[in-house]
Amino acid sequence: DVKVTQSSRYLVKRTGEKVFLECVQDMDHENMFWYRQDPGLGLRLIYFSYDVKMKEKGDIPEGYSVSREKKERFSLILESASTNQTSMYLCATTGGISYEQYFGPGTRLTVT
Amino acid sequence: RKEVEQDPGPFNVPEGATVAFNCTYSNSASQSFFWYRQDCRKEPKLLMSVYSSGNEDGRFTAQLNRASQYISLLIRDSKLSDSATYLCVVTGGGGQNFVFGPGTRLSVLP
Repeated sequence: DVKVTQSSRYLVKRTGEKVFLECVQDMDHENMFWYRQDPGLGLRLIYFSYDVKMKEKGDIPEGYSVSREKKERFSLILESASTNQTSMYLCATTGGISYEQYFGPGTRLTVT
Repeated sequence: RKEVEQDPGPFNVPEGATVAFNCTYSNSASQSFFWYRQDCRKEPKLLMSVYSSGNEDGRFTAQLNRASQYISLLIRDSKLSDSATYLCVVTGGGGQNFVFGPGTRLSVLP
């Protein structure tokens, strides 16, 4: 069974703080993704990574950066959190010949 | 126009009903298609892949019409446990470029 874990289920941060969200997977998958999910907008891709130290911008990368120093770990960084980054953040992975995406449980971030 | 569009819902149906969801996509180069299920406050999970020939998994049937760029999901004999949001997902291939629809919420009522 693929397991994808995220560092926090709930997080409350203040405007201007630097925020780190971590995702760890145990299936040796090449591809890892960060999405945010907002009511009425669905899941939107922030960044993805197809290998260690490789990253690609998704649809809404502004205000975010990522880091992938190890294959199993993909971090999302909010350099200076703003209230419009209040959202549910979901990490996902894919690997091998399957295109099935496995999601972590999500982090509900509130920026006040 | 959004890349992937779905029926807005919500769908409120009685137990035992048959319900169908529709999804359209704009990128004709899309290669793989999926239905995901997302329970309230949970992460999405794969329900089924959608193949050109159509496929069935128990009470669930998925169909793809490439010419019309249309995907459907049919649920027969609805159960209370089917209540969830159903997400249509399209990818261009390579396992990297996934586009999610906004989802359709289903409530199955006793």
